[in-house]
Amino acid sequence: AQSVTQPDIHITVSEGASLELRCNYSYGATPYLFWYVQSPGQGLQLLLKYFSGDTLVQGIKGFEAEFKRSQSSFNLRKPSVHWSDAAEYFCAVAAMEYGNKLVFGAGTILRVKS
Amino acid sequence: NAGVTQTPKFQVLKTGQSMTLQCAQDMNHNSMYWYRQDPGMGLRLIYYSASEGTTDKGEVPNGYNVSRLNKREFSLRLESAAPSQTSVYFCASSWTSRNTGELFFGEGSRLTVL
Repeated sequence: AQSVTQPDIHITVSEGASLELRCNYSYGATPYLFWYVQSPGQGLQLLLKYFSGDTLVQGIKGFEAEFKRSQSSFNLRKPSVHWSDAAEYFCAVAAMEYGNKLVFGAGTILRVKS
Repeated sequence: NAGVTQTPKFQVLKTGQSMTLQCAQDMNHNSMYWYRQDPGMGLRLIYYSASEGTTDKGEVPNGYNVSRLNKREFSLRLESAAPSQTSVYFCASSWTSRNTGELFFGEGSRLTVL
């Protein structure tokens, strides 16, 4: 079945440490790939997206993500985490075989220790 | 700029009651969506409207109906609420339904069915 997997339900990092959130997808062709962030009590906001071209994409708030076709992965990274980054992060995929509608992963909750 | 506005933000229903969640966007977007968010399951698409006058089922449409009232407004109706419909509901909009663009989300409506 088509799916988006975020293996980590919760991640805790210290402020100033680096961060990597994992995302894997199972679709035949290269889909459109997205990372969204949800702060408590808020809707989702787009961090970055990948459609084609350079496999390393830059987003807002200092985030970046790398598409690796061989691993069917689109991991989100940030070199130095700030306390304000504490939120829930969702990977999402829009695949042609699914009518190009967004399919979301289950989310990863990021906690930042001061 | 309001973006996507959902009402109500909170609602408690008894099993069997009906209600309508309202959504309006002021960005002149063509496509609108209703998602539900449940812990550990990410966001799942209930219904979407690719353009004014059209609606289509998403991943979990059972128990819901929608109306695209005009280009700005997209409502979600629960005809006979069930406890399984306890969730947080998000409305979103985008320029097109082909998802080459960004989804803009409302702040969510928390529904509890007793």
